Amino acid sequence: SYVLTQPPSVSVDPGQTAKIPCGGNNIESYSVHWYQQKPGQAPVVVVYDDSDRPSGIPERFSGSNSGNTATLTISRVEDGDEADYYCQVWHSTEHQRIFGGGTKLTVL
Amino acid sequence: QVQLQEAGPGLLKPSETLSLTCTVTLDSISGSDHFWGWIRQAPGKGLEWIGSGHKSGAIYYNPSLRSRVTIFVDTSKNQFSLTLTSVSAADSGFYYCTRDLNTAMAPHIIDSWGQGTLVTVSS
Repeated sequence: SYVLTQPPSVSVDPGQTAKIPCGGNNIESYSVHWYQQKPGQAPVVVVYDDSDRPSGIPERFSGSNSGNTATLTISRVEDGDEADYYCQVWHSTEHQRIFGGGTKLTVL
Repeated sequence: QVQLQEAGPGLLKPSETLSLTCTVTLDSISGSDHFWGWIRQAPGKGLEWIGSGHKSGAIYYNPSLRSRVTIFVDTSKNQFSLTLTSVSAADSGFYYCTRDLNTAMAPHIIDSWGQGTLVTVSS
């Protein structure tokens, strides 16, 4: 089955740029979505279809997808961005929603 | 803004059957084209998709759970449910009901979540 691989953790200083990768075989052929989950809360989508942002999500959140890696980029990181981030795709052949293992973003 | 609320037992014994219901308010299952689904999360672990169902009868399940899972979408009650048989400690965790946008009759992004309900399986 298809697997999405994320690093367990990423650390960044406030005001800097965080990049969270999501690896998968030929992932560029999939639409990738990103969810943010803060402690004790349900996840929220921050980027969908590789690079679109839902209304209400700051422009600091952006996404890209090429080759075998999709990337969530958070510019000018703030303390409030500290959370777990999950990438997700829909595998149309297997009819399956697949999540990456999640990345904990720590703001130093 | 749609609201989703999970309901069901918080404690089960191994081999029992888990039954959860999600009540939908401020949206109509029969009047919308969304998928309605379930996701679970073991404490301190990642997200695991359980399955998603549509009012048309189209239902998709996680292959790893397919043999034990049933999702039912009840348009008459504006609810949907999850049944998971033969539970074990590995099934413990938070269970979220979700509303999924629909793209070409497949679940797209999850745009609404319930608050989650904690299920513990222990003898």
